[in-house]
Amino acid sequence: QQQVKQSPQSLIVQKGGISIINCAYENTAFDYFPWYQQFPGKGPALLIAIRPDVSEKKEGRFTISFNKSAKQFSLHIMDSQPGDSATYFCAASRRRSKLTFGTGTRLQVTL
Amino acid sequence: SQTIHQWPATLVQPVGSPLSLECTVEGTSNPNLYWYRQAAGRGLQLLFYSVGIGQISSEVPQNLSASRPQDRQFILSSKKLLLSDSGFYLCAWSIGRDEQFFGPGTRLTVL
Repeated sequence: QQQVKQSPQSLIVQKGGISIINCAYENTAFDYFPWYQQFPGKGPALLIAIRPDVSEKKEGRFTISFNKSAKQFSLHIMDSQPGDSATYFCAASRRRSKLTFGTGTRLQVTL
Repeated sequence: SQTIHQWPATLVQPVGSPLSLECTVEGTSNPNLYWYRQAAGRGLQLLFYSVGIGQISSEVPQNLSASRPQDRQFILSSKKLLLSDSGFYLCAWSIGRDEQFFGPGTRLTVL
């Protein structure tokens, strides 16, 4: 199975709140899990990535949580800001092969 | 540092006309190169990828084709555009690692 299922499709969070986006995968051979951030009219930008040998990775306000047994990983955005309003994509790949992307989550952070 | 360029940034073409989109990468050698299409408000669809000059793999049967005439140049073409070819076309590169980096994209509208 090559699919990566992403939820929710859209998310509205108040400024200062925590945004949580979830992804689930089937292929246990996947060994690389990145998150991309895309603003309207721009190409996706690599935000943060994790490998299955760790359960959590944090970079600033962005944290990836990884649950290998459940085959799930999630992006947490702490202290969400209006500037975080964008579409977020999770992805997965194995052994430097092609990325399989989730369907995206449109995040809106309100004042 | 590496940079990726795409042109044109926007393009409006009539149905049945030809297409040529170009992508170039600077600051690296022998990158893996990718073409994606993103329909409005949708996810990323991998169209083609290339691991070297003249080596093209197609992911989705369609009226598009890709070529890689030089190490850091990737071209997406069509002989006759369809309405369904409208979308946001993204080029991406990776090298030696899993991280994949996207270009700024080309917005194609077929009328």
